[in-house]
Amino acid sequence: GQQLNQSPQSMFIQEGEDVSMNCTSSSIFNTWLWYKQDPGEGPVLLIALYKAGELTSNGRLTAQFGITRKDSFLNISASIPSDVGIYFCAGESNTGNQFYFGTGTSLTVIP
Amino acid sequence: KAGVTQTPRYLIKTRGQQVTLSCSPISGHRSVSWYQQTPGQGLQFLFEYFSETQRNKGNFPGRFSGRQFSNSRSEMNVSTLELGDSALYLCASSLAHSVEQYFGPGTRLTVT
Repeated sequence: GQQLNQSPQSMFIQEGEDVSMNCTSSSIFNTWLWYKQDPGEGPVLLIALYKAGELTSNGRLTAQFGITRKDSFLNISASIPSDVGIYFCAGESNTGNQFYFGTGTSLTVIP
Repeated sequence: KAGVTQTPRYLIKTRGQQVTLSCSPISGHRSVSWYQQTPGQGLQFLFEYFSETQRNKGNFPGRFSGRQFSNSRSEMNVSTLELGDSALYLCASSLAHSVEQYFGPGTRLTVT
């Protein structure tokens, strides 16, 4: 199936630092979404992006839909301990209503 | 508004057995999707149901099946369990024409 390459695989940062992660695909996507998953829980939707070039914020989180429609970026500003978790990108293919998920970025915030 | 609920939360089964997992979507959501999450393969799409019809299907063997009821609740069944079926099974619901999926806490299935 479709593969989404998400990087970095893991990050260890100091509290207060900014974080950037990205997701790329080999094909065009219609929609990009970003999720955060805490241990033992299901992913929680953070941001949804609907068109190329779109830049959307949700508090300290900002995500962008790449203009090629094959990538997306998530930034977290001024990280805090509760940002710890695994962040997933997900894309909706342009061939149907099916989602593909990235491999996840594990974020650790050191107080 | 209550979130997506999944039952049971944890399950231990033996190879060869079958299992049924249940998902109740957010009220008003008519689309339900199922995913398998494993450390090695990540989140993989199983299938999606909308108005009691399977609308999309991922690349899983026929041992994996599902259904949706008229109240939008959904069940997933796995027959002839294999060790490799051990995973977190996640259900997500969305409004009829929305791509924004909301996940339940998952069912942790362990096959021994």
